[in-house]
Amino acid sequence: DAKTTQPPSMDCAEGRAANLPCNHSTISGNEYVYWYRQIHSQGPQYIIHGLKNNETNEMASLIITEDRKSSTLILPHATLRDTAVYYCVLSGSARQLTFGSGTQLTVLP
Amino acid sequence: DGGITQSPKYLFRKEGQNVTLSCEQNLNHDAMYWYRQDPGQGLRLIYYSQIVNDFQKGDIAEGYSVSREKKESFPLTVTSAQKNPTAFYLCASRGTDRGSGNTIYFGEGSWLTVV
Repeated sequence: DAKTTQPPSMDCAEGRAANLPCNHSTISGNEYVYWYRQIHSQGPQYIIHGLKNNETNEMASLIITEDRKSSTLILPHATLRDTAVYYCVLSGSARQLTFGSGTQLTVLP
Repeated sequence: DGGITQSPKYLFRKEGQNVTLSCEQNLNHDAMYWYRQDPGQGLRLIYYSQIVNDFQKGDIAEGYSVSREKKESFPLTVTSAQKNPTAFYLCASRGTDRGSGNTIYFGEGSWLTVV
């Protein structure tokens, strides 16, 4: 199965943009890039997903490179409540649901 | 409210006992999943089911069993054969029709501790 690579941790100042990178160099043509976040002892929360085009919703923006080998999740104005582990996940068929270790984002006051 | 309900939230098991974790969804989703998460680690797939009366092993199925008799229910049994069952268990579901897309939704999880 295709896998993702994320930095283990990142810090961001409150009110600034948080840019979380993800590498997925072996992504298949039919696989979507999904982002979830998880606050300790809770279930992962869906943030955003995309296939080829950049996407934006009320929570975040997703930038996918033209070759689809990497992507960046952007939280435009990070708050303390955005502190969580962020997972970049590839989803194609039901079998291909691969979670890595994610990135621990800490938003600093 | 629509969503995925897992119960119990916290469960303690004695060694040698089987326990069953409940997962119910009212999202009318066809696919359901069970994941295990150890402290500081990512999610690992235990079992998944794409349709009623059918399920497949994931990456770490040994010591676990599931059933899918109803579309809305996908219980997970942790058997005594699972040597290290203490973990956080997450149930998820996903629709496969155009209306719900492919987004996976998770329950709030169940903590299982062996005492």
